[in-house]
Amino acid sequence: ETGVTQTPRHLVMGMTNKKSLKCEQHLGHNAMYWYKQSAKKPLELMFVYNFKEQTENNSVPSRFSPECPNSSHLFLHLHTLQPEDSALYLCASSQAPGLAGVFEQYFGPGTRLTVT
Amino acid sequence: GDSVTQMEGPVTLSEEAFLTINCTYTATGYPSLFWYVQYPGEGLQLLLKATKADDKGSNKGFEATYRKETTSFHLEKGSVQVSDSAVYFCALSSGTYKYIFGTGTRLKVLA
Repeated sequence: ETGVTQTPRHLVMGMTNKKSLKCEQHLGHNAMYWYKQSAKKPLELMFVYNFKEQTENNSVPSRFSPECPNSSHLFLHLHTLQPEDSALYLCASSQAPGLAGVFEQYFGPGTRLTVT
Repeated sequence: GDSVTQMEGPVTLSEEAFLTINCTYTATGYPSLFWYVQYPGEGLQLLLKATKADDKGSNKGFEATYRKETTSFHLEKGSVQVSDSAVYFCALSSGTYKYIFGTGTRLKVLA
């Protein structure tokens, strides 16, 4: 596998279910991100991890719980979601920004989530 | 805070037409600017980038120039193909972990 992979690609869940999204990057990057993509809205940054430490949490509801066990893997645990949480969830990775500048992000294909 | 504004789509063009997708930004400091493309069923892919004023990013026939005086980063291509049909996102980053994206512009190219 190369690049950024995400599983599952599609997920349908009820509001009382618990599920997890998985992301893996094979690029040797230090930073990993979760975004939410909804129709006709800008990408919403949810969480950022740098070297396994969470550096950003953009006021995301607690029903979304991230986990980053190492620099290559990122999870998003979901529980008691609402129908408005239905969206495409994208994972991305990059070199950590710093003195060397800002680096582009590499995205996975996303998980299409439908909450019924 | 920082923001990115893109032209509303969809943009529909005939094959071999000239493409311009407008992007303007507001930011403190000197951000890096990006164009990403998203094909159906896929994630975003970096198309090109520019890191300082007057830089021109280019890739696959697409170009964009970092214009500090007009705070713009318009995407252009001289002759579009059907395979260019996708959603295009303008984005900026000011050196933190926050990448600010526009709402995306859908391009449809007709044969």
